[in-house]
Amino acid sequence: SQQGEEDPQALSIQEGENATMNCSYKTSINNLQWYRQNSGRGLVHLILIRSNEREKHSGRLRVTLDTSKKSSSLLITASRAADTASYFCATGQTNTGNQFYFGTGTSLTVIP
Amino acid sequence: EAQVTQNPRYLITVTGKKLTVTCSQNMNHEYMSWYRQDPGLGLRQIYYSMNVEVTDKGDVPEGYKVSRKEKRNFPLILESPSPNQTSLYFCASSLYGNEQFFGPGTRLTVL
Repeated sequence: SQQGEEDPQALSIQEGENATMNCSYKTSINNLQWYRQNSGRGLVHLILIRSNEREKHSGRLRVTLDTSKKSSSLLITASRAADTASYFCATGQTNTGNQFYFGTGTSLTVIP
Repeated sequence: EAQVTQNPRYLITVTGKKLTVTCSQNMNHEYMSWYRQDPGLGLRQIYYSMNVEVTDKGDVPEGYKVSRKEKRNFPLILESPSPNQTSLYFCASSLYGNEQFFGPGTRLTVL
């Protein structure tokens, strides 16, 4: 399988703390995206980083990409209870055209 | 409102009874895709389509069919459902295959 993997599988933090989750993948990519899913609902796109970018910011989100290590991290700063959700990385890989591979997700719980 | 709609949202059926899950988007997106989500396995891509009459297999296409006769619609067909196809299914669309917009999901149970 070419699926990515998120680490940790589950994360529990206090409101106001920062949350960091990591994603590793296996092959060369065009881009890497992060999505959020509230329990059982559809995924919502958060941010996309291209293979020639190393860091990207969007509001309280910071994404880094290290193509040499085939890994990415998502940092959520000053977390809120409303950030409680599952977070997935998805890769668009260069050898499979427009096919996408999602990781297994990190379940984040932010305690008020 | 820009959205991806799926129907039905919930479906319980029996082994072998053909079913179709519809997907429609109103954003004039070129790219549409179907995923299944299973506990511990994340989302896996079933089929995707870059444009009308163009479809390609994803990671887990066995047991599924799709068609793309119109830009806005991308139905998922299970000709002979089996219990291992019990899952949560998502349809998604995007303009060029990057940022994807997801539907609300269809929870399918095959008995």
